[in-house]
Amino acid sequence: EVQLVESGGGLVQPGGSLRLSCAASGFTFSSYEMNWVRQAPGKGLEWVSYISSSGSTIYYADSVKGRFTISRDNAKNSLYLQMNSLRAEDTAVYYCARWGGITMVRGFDYWGQGTLVTVSS
Amino acid sequence: EIVMTQSPATLSVSPGERATLSCRASQSVSSNLAWYQQKPGQAPRLLIYGASTRATGIPARFSGSGSGTEFTLTISSLQSEDFAVYYCQQYNNWPSTWTFGQGTKVEIK
Repeated sequence: EVQLVESGGGLVQPGGSLRLSCAASGFTFSSYEMNWVRQAPGKGLEWVSYISSSGSTIYYADSVKGRFTISRDNAKNSLYLQMNSLRAEDTAVYYCARWGGITMVRGFDYWGQGTLVTVSS
Repeated sequence: EIVMTQSPATLSVSPGERATLSCRASQSVSSNLAWYQQKPGQAPRLLIYGASTRATGIPARFSGSGSGTEFTLTISSLQSEDFAVYYCQQYNNWPSTWTFGQGTKVEIK
């Protein structure tokens, strides 16, 4: 069974940092492209960042570019999001999501349960 | 940047009735469009990709259509478990950007 489990969320002051983790199981993690997607309270979904299966290709949404860093450790079946210079508008539930492209499923076919990040003084 | 616009924002439907949700792209995304369902307190679930292909385990009452800039998600006969928020997502510029629509809430009439 495919599972994605996020952790690392919490309350942080504006300007602070936080590192999110996503532990993957039930599939060959190293074969899949991964993403982070966030959802502010009561709002819609916003794509945040993408990383290729090898980690060699990375993209960010303009709203987080220069402040967030995505990475992965295929040996540990884990995805990460380092968030620096956090702002109030970064407050959201952060989901890791698998891109199903290798299976020809063109969509985010599995999602974690999300971890809440609250940026407030 | 491709902007995705969903309509209506809220759709009130009685159980057993048909629901038709729309998604419009600001420029052509070909058939590179997915639909997701999200229930309160849950992660989104992939329903449709490639504009019209149902994901694994998705009931046949869900169908997607369209290409270019105009897309539709149809739920042929609403069940109680279908009341949720639905998002469209374009991936025409994969992997550099993905864009979601703002969502359509399907509520019980």
